[in-house]
Amino acid sequence: QLQLQESGPGLVKPSETLSLTCTVSGGSISISSYYWGWIRQPPEKGLEWIGGIYYTGSTYYNPSLKSRVTISVNTSKNQFSLRLSSVTAADTAVYYCARQSAAAGFVDYWGQGTLVTVS
Amino acid sequence: ETVMTQSPATLSVSPGERVTLSCRASPSVSSNLAWYQQKPGQAPRLLIYGASTRATGIPARFSGSGSGTEFTLTISSLQSEDFAVYFCQQYSNWPQTFGQGTKVEIK
Repeated sequence: QLQLQESGPGLVKPSETLSLTCTVSGGSISISSYYWGWIRQPPEKGLEWIGGIYYTGSTYYNPSLKSRVTISVNTSKNQFSLRLSSVTAADTAVYYCARQSAAAGFVDYWGQGTLVTVS
Repeated sequence: ETVMTQSPATLSVSPGERVTLSCRASPSVSSNLAWYQQKPGQAPRLLIYGASTRATGIPARFSGSGSGTEFTLTISSLQSEDFAVYFCQQYSNWPQTFGQGTKVEIK
Protein backbone atom coordinates (compact mmCIF):
# COMPACT_ATOMS: atom_id res chain seq x y z
CA GLN A 1 0.00 0.00 0.00
CA LEU A 2 1.40 3.34 -1.06
CA GLN A 3 2.00 5.80 1.76
CA LEU A 4 3.06 9.44 1.70
CA GLN A 5 4.39 11.26 4.76
CA GLU A 6 5.12 14.95 5.10
CA SER A 7 7.90 16.22 7.35
CA GLY A 8 9.26 19.62 8.25
CA PRO A 9 8.96 22.51 10.72
CA GLY A 10 5.51 23.30 12.02
CA LEU A 11 6.36 26.93 12.72
CA VAL A 12 7.97 29.40 10.32
CA LYS A 13 8.66 33.09 10.87
CA PRO A 14 7.23 35.70 8.49
CA SER A 15 9.49 36.48 5.51
CA GLU A 16 11.35 33.19 5.91
CA THR A 17 11.16 30.06 3.74
CA LEU A 18 8.84 27.14 4.41
CA SER A 19 10.44 23.76 3.64
CA LEU A 20 8.67 20.42 3.60
CA THR A 21 9.61 16.96 2.40
CA CYS A 22 7.34 14.12 1.38
CA THR A 23 8.61 10.57 1.72
CA VAL A 24 6.92 7.96 -0.44
CA SER A 25 6.88 4.35 0.73
CA GLY A 26 5.29 1.18 -0.60
CA GLY A 27 6.00 2.16 -4.19
CA SER A 28 8.41 3.98 -6.44
CA ILE A 29 8.30 7.69 -7.13
CA SER A 30 9.79 7.01 -10.57
CA ILE A 31 6.55 6.23 -12.40
CA SER A 32 5.67 8.12 -15.55
CA SER A 33 1.93 7.72 -15.12
CA TYR A 34 1.87 9.92 -12.04
CA TYR A 35 3.22 13.19 -10.82
CA TRP A 36 3.73 14.31 -7.24
CA GLY A 37 1.96 17.33 -5.94
CA TRP A 38 1.61 19.71 -3.05
CA ILE A 39 -1.81 20.97 -1.98
CA ARG A 40 -2.63 23.18 0.97
CA GLN A 41 -5.70 23.98 3.05
CA PRO A 42 -5.85 27.10 5.24
CA PRO A 43 -7.81 26.63 8.49
CA GLU A 44 -11.52 26.22 7.83
CA LYS A 45 -11.04 26.89 4.12
CA GLY A 46 -10.88 25.01 0.85
CA LEU A 47 -8.03 23.33 -0.98
CA GLU A 48 -5.42 25.06 -3.14
CA TRP A 49 -3.09 23.26 -5.54
CA ILE A 50 0.46 24.56 -5.15
CA GLY A 51 2.30 22.63 -7.82
CA GLY A 52 3.66 19.28 -8.91
CA ILE A 53 6.72 17.45 -10.19
CA TYR A 54 7.46 14.40 -12.30
CA TYR A 55 10.26 12.03 -11.34
CA THR A 56 12.20 13.45 -14.29
CA GLY A 57 12.26 16.81 -12.54
CA SER A 58 9.70 18.59 -14.72
CA THR A 59 7.72 21.00 -12.59
CA TYR A 60 4.36 22.74 -12.80
CA TYR A 61 3.36 25.57 -10.47
CA ASN A 62 0.17 27.40 -9.70
CA PRO A 63 0.64 30.86 -11.25
CA SER A 64 -0.62 32.48 -8.05
CA LEU A 65 2.38 31.10 -6.15
CA LYS A 66 4.91 30.52 -8.90
CA SER A 67 7.25 33.35 -7.94
CA ARG A 68 7.72 31.88 -4.45
CA VAL A 69 7.57 28.11 -5.01
CA THR A 70 10.21 25.53 -5.76
CA ILE A 71 9.47 21.80 -5.91
CA SER A 72 12.26 19.27 -6.27
CA VAL A 73 12.58 15.49 -6.37
CA ASN A 74 15.14 13.03 -5.04
CA THR A 75 14.46 9.68 -6.70
CA SER A 76 17.24 7.89 -4.81
CA LYS A 77 15.45 8.68 -1.54
CA ASN A 78 11.93 8.37 -3.00
CA GLN A 79 11.20 11.89 -1.79
CA PHE A 80 10.03 15.20 -3.15
CA SER A 81 10.18 18.58 -1.49
CA LEU A 82 8.49 21.96 -1.32
CA ARG A 83 10.05 25.33 -0.66
CA LEU A 84 7.86 28.43 -0.31
CA SER A 85 9.72 31.68 0.20
CA SER A 86 8.77 35.00 1.79
CA VAL A 87 5.93 33.49 3.79
CA THR A 88 3.23 35.51 5.53
CA ALA A 89 0.37 34.63 7.86
CA ALA A 90 -1.71 33.89 4.73
CA ASP A 91 0.51 30.86 4.11
CA THR A 92 -0.60 29.24 7.36
CA ALA A 93 -2.25 25.99 6.31
CA VAL A 94 -2.24 22.24 6.42
CA TYR A 95 0.10 21.14 3.65
CA TYR A 96 -0.56 17.84 1.90
CA CYS A 97 1.66 15.91 -0.43
CA ALA A 98 -0.14 13.83 -2.99
CA ARG A 99 0.12 11.46 -5.95
CA GLN A 100 -1.73 12.73 -8.99
CA SER A 101 -2.69 11.02 -12.21
CA ALA A 102 -0.50 12.26 -15.05
CA ALA A 103 -3.28 11.66 -17.58
CA ALA A 104 -5.82 13.56 -15.54
CA GLY A 105 -4.83 15.33 -12.33
CA PHE A 106 -7.02 13.84 -9.69
CA VAL A 107 -5.36 12.77 -6.44
CA ASP A 108 -5.51 9.09 -5.61
CA TYR A 109 -3.14 9.09 -2.63
CA TRP A 110 -2.72 11.80 -0.01
CA GLY A 111 -0.30 12.29 2.84
CA GLN A 112 -1.85 12.82 6.27
CA GLY A 113 -1.05 16.53 6.09
CA THR A 114 1.10 18.76 8.27
CA LEU A 115 0.09 22.07 9.79
CA VAL A 116 2.51 24.90 9.14
CA THR A 117 1.93 28.09 11.08
CA VAL A 118 3.57 31.35 10.05
CA SER A 119 4.11 33.47 13.14
CA GLU B 1 -8.66 30.57 -13.26
CA THR B 2 -11.58 28.16 -13.31
CA VAL B 3 -14.02 28.86 -10.50
CA MET B 4 -15.71 25.90 -8.85
CA THR B 5 -18.85 26.76 -6.90
CA GLN B 6 -20.37 24.18 -4.58
CA SER B 7 -23.85 24.31 -3.13
CA PRO B 8 -25.19 24.27 -0.57
CA ALA B 9 -22.44 25.19 1.87
CA THR B 10 -24.03 23.02 4.55
CA LEU B 11 -26.61 20.28 4.28
CA SER B 12 -28.44 18.86 7.32
CA VAL B 13 -29.54 15.32 6.63
CA SER B 14 -30.89 12.31 8.51
CA PRO B 15 -29.27 8.87 8.10
CA GLY B 16 -30.88 6.89 5.33
CA GLU B 17 -31.82 9.95 3.28
CA ARG B 18 -30.77 10.55 -0.30
CA VAL B 19 -28.30 13.40 -0.67
CA THR B 20 -27.49 15.47 -3.74
CA LEU B 21 -24.54 17.85 -3.81
CA SER B 22 -23.89 20.33 -6.57
CA CYS B 23 -20.70 21.62 -8.15
CA ARG B 24 -20.73 24.28 -10.88
CA ALA B 25 -17.71 25.12 -13.04
CA SER B 26 -16.93 28.33 -14.87
CA PRO B 27 -15.87 27.87 -17.63
CA SER B 28 -16.57 24.33 -18.81
CA VAL B 29 -14.35 21.49 -17.57
CA SER B 30 -15.77 18.74 -19.81
CA SER B 31 -15.81 15.57 -17.67
CA ASN B 32 -12.54 16.33 -15.92
CA LEU B 33 -13.98 16.49 -12.44
CA ALA B 34 -13.31 14.63 -9.21
CA TRP B 35 -15.10 14.44 -5.88
CA TYR B 36 -13.42 13.96 -2.50
CA GLN B 37 -14.66 13.27 1.00
CA GLN B 38 -12.87 14.79 4.00
CA LYS B 39 -13.49 13.97 7.64
CA PRO B 40 -12.18 16.14 10.51
CA GLY B 41 -8.45 15.82 10.99
CA GLN B 42 -8.06 13.56 7.95
CA ALA B 43 -6.79 13.96 4.43
CA PRO B 44 -9.37 13.99 1.63
CA ARG B 45 -10.31 10.66 0.05
CA LEU B 46 -10.97 10.26 -3.66
CA LEU B 47 -14.56 9.18 -4.35
CA ILE B 48 -15.20 9.91 -8.04
CA TYR B 49 -13.07 10.88 -11.04
CA GLY B 50 -13.95 11.54 -14.64
CA ALA B 51 -17.21 12.97 -13.26
CA SER B 52 -18.79 9.54 -12.84
CA THR B 53 -16.20 6.80 -12.24
CA ARG B 54 -16.02 5.51 -8.69
CA ALA B 55 -12.54 5.15 -7.26
CA THR B 56 -11.32 1.80 -5.98
CA GLY B 57 -13.16 0.64 -2.88
CA ILE B 58 -15.85 3.34 -2.95
CA PRO B 59 -19.33 2.00 -2.12
CA ALA B 60 -21.96 1.94 -4.84
CA ARG B 61 -24.17 4.36 -2.88
CA PHE B 62 -21.87 7.13 -4.14
CA SER B 63 -22.47 8.23 -7.73
CA GLY B 64 -21.41 11.18 -9.83
CA SER B 65 -22.96 12.74 -12.89
CA GLY B 66 -22.73 15.77 -15.13
CA SER B 67 -20.43 17.31 -17.68
CA GLY B 68 -19.41 20.74 -18.85
CA THR B 69 -20.41 23.14 -16.09
CA GLU B 70 -22.90 21.27 -13.92
CA PHE B 71 -22.02 18.28 -11.76
CA THR B 72 -23.74 16.27 -9.05
CA LEU B 73 -22.59 13.89 -6.36
CA THR B 74 -25.38 11.66 -5.06
CA ILE B 75 -25.33 9.52 -1.96
CA SER B 76 -28.29 7.17 -2.33
CA SER B 77 -28.75 6.38 1.37
CA LEU B 78 -26.64 8.33 3.80
CA GLN B 79 -24.72 6.24 6.32
CA SER B 80 -23.32 7.50 9.62
CA GLU B 81 -19.78 7.36 8.23
CA ASP B 82 -20.74 9.66 5.37
CA PHE B 83 -21.05 12.79 7.50
CA ALA B 84 -18.13 14.83 6.22
CA VAL B 85 -17.12 17.67 3.92
CA TYR B 86 -17.22 17.00 0.18
CA PHE B 87 -15.03 18.85 -2.33
CA CYS B 88 -15.05 18.91 -6.10
CA GLN B 89 -11.90 19.44 -8.18
CA GLN B 90 -11.49 20.30 -11.85
CA TYR B 91 -8.39 19.20 -13.69
CA SER B 92 -9.38 20.31 -17.17
CA ASN B 93 -8.11 23.88 -17.14
CA TRP B 94 -4.84 25.29 -15.85
CA PRO B 95 -4.38 25.49 -12.92
CA GLN B 96 -6.48 22.78 -11.36
CA THR B 97 -8.87 24.20 -8.78
CA PHE B 98 -11.14 22.99 -5.99
CA GLY B 99 -14.55 24.03 -4.77
CA GLN B 100 -15.01 25.42 -1.27
CA GLY B 101 -16.78 22.31 -0.07
CA THR B 102 -20.20 21.18 1.16
CA LYS B 103 -20.51 20.04 4.74
CA VAL B 104 -22.99 17.21 5.28
CA GLU B 105 -24.08 17.23 8.91
CA ILE B 106 -26.48 15.26 11.02
CA LYS B 107 -29.99 16.70 11.16
